[in-house]
Amino acid sequence: QKEVEQNSGPLSVPEGAIASLNCTYSDRVSQSFFWYRQYSGKSPELIMSIYSNGDKEDGRFTAQLNKASQYVSLLIRDSQPSDSATYLCATSRMNTGFQKLVFGTGTRLLVSP
Amino acid sequence: NAGVMQNPRHLVRRRGQEARLRCSPMKGHSHVYWYRQLPEEGLKFMVYLQKENIIDESGMPKERFSAEFPKEGPSILRIQQVVRGDSAAYFCASSVGETGELFFGEGSRLTVL
Repeated sequence: QKEVEQNSGPLSVPEGAIASLNCTYSDRVSQSFFWYRQYSGKSPELIMSIYSNGDKEDGRFTAQLNKASQYVSLLIRDSQPSDSATYLCATSRMNTGFQKLVFGTGTRLLVSP
Repeated sequence: NAGVMQNPRHLVRRRGQEARLRCSPMKGHSHVYWYRQLPEEGLKFMVYLQKENIIDESGMPKERFSAEFPKEGPSILRIQQVVRGDSAAYFCASSVGETGELFFGEGSRLTVL
């Protein structure tokens, strides 16, 4: 079992719709959770971090965390074609004194005009 | 306001040659991480360094790979006697502390012929 699991997609949504990206993780002691966006051929870019159960909103993005179910999600409202990218879920826990990130393989999102 | 700078962006080597990848962290960041990304795979942690110290190299192959972050100058990831399986994108990331919120460089794409 992979430590961080994501559906590879592609997830196709029309412009203006809500895109829902999901992630499950296996390490129960994971403390911090992150969503990174990676455009093709580019570097990952942090878009959201979440540390406690519940929802965290930032503009059109909402991250949701359920530690009991070991589940993290990212909602993108009013999806735009510019949101088309691969979204990487990452978890971390303190490891030898630092937070070691473990990434999923990413979900490819396609937003059609 | 330079971000994380990596060079070279693209590197081609023949089997048996050496590859040296350089990374300058963002200004004010003293924590450097190296990740490797293979096609269709997620980012895999390799090594975490602070100035003049390797903090965790648990993700780095025991042979042929080494990393350093000297007091002056960029962090270097060195791969000796490269093999075809080393072909990948190598990303450097930096952070201001151990928050898990990493800023990534554009990556160095190594191709081994």
